[in-house]
Amino acid sequence: GAGVSQSPSNKVTEKGKDVELRCDPISGHTALYWYRQRLGQGLEFLIYFQGNSAPDKSGLPSDRFSAERTGESVSTLTIQRTQQEDSAVYLCASSLAGWSYNEQFFGPGTRLTVL
Amino acid sequence: GENVEQHPSTLSVQEGDSAVIKCTYSDSASNYFPWYKQELGKGPQLIIDIRSNVGEKKDQRIAVTLNKTAKHFSLHITETQPEDSAVYFCAAIDQAGTALIFGKGTTLSVSS
Repeated sequence: GAGVSQSPSNKVTEKGKDVELRCDPISGHTALYWYRQRLGQGLEFLIYFQGNSAPDKSGLPSDRFSAERTGESVSTLTIQRTQQEDSAVYLCASSLAGWSYNEQFFGPGTRLTVL
Repeated sequence: GENVEQHPSTLSVQEGDSAVIKCTYSDSASNYFPWYKQELGKGPQLIIDIRSNVGEKKDQRIAVTLNKTAKHFSLHITETQPEDSAVYFCAAIDQAGTALIFGKGTTLSVSS
């Protein structure tokens, strides 16, 4: 079956521009997560959705970052006024339910480069 | 909050040798510890996980051990093969029981 998909796969933008990153989770997965992976680093948790609600936004690094989810399906991560330190791979994952023991399935990521 | 330390950052072994990667965590309430493998250009993929009510779990050539008292867990790969070459991440569930907190990763290189 189809896995988690993300688009675009690569995004190059200029400092100060806004970007939108899209995630399509596995059908039927109620939980959705966004992570950021800087070069040579581990994954940094950004935000978690249960259905269309985000009970945990604790990882968003600044108010320039926001995310939404609609139809308990697709999610969009928006970064406003991008900065060079935002350059990273942004990974989306989904799981059947948002609690311990549920395997998180990851998409291939979107590589964001801010010039 | 939870903090996960992972070492070594790089590991090179000969084909057929064993590889061991170790992680420590800080939150004694954490109860789920997955290991992910990430190949170049791909998202991480779960390879094995362990819950806090067991001390060891094995799946063919890979095994994970957990010591809750010491708050550390390890990944063991036996009879390594070139296709095992990848970046491996350990993780622990956060206090809310939802998000994963990842270690910084170990780059494993298996040479034939």
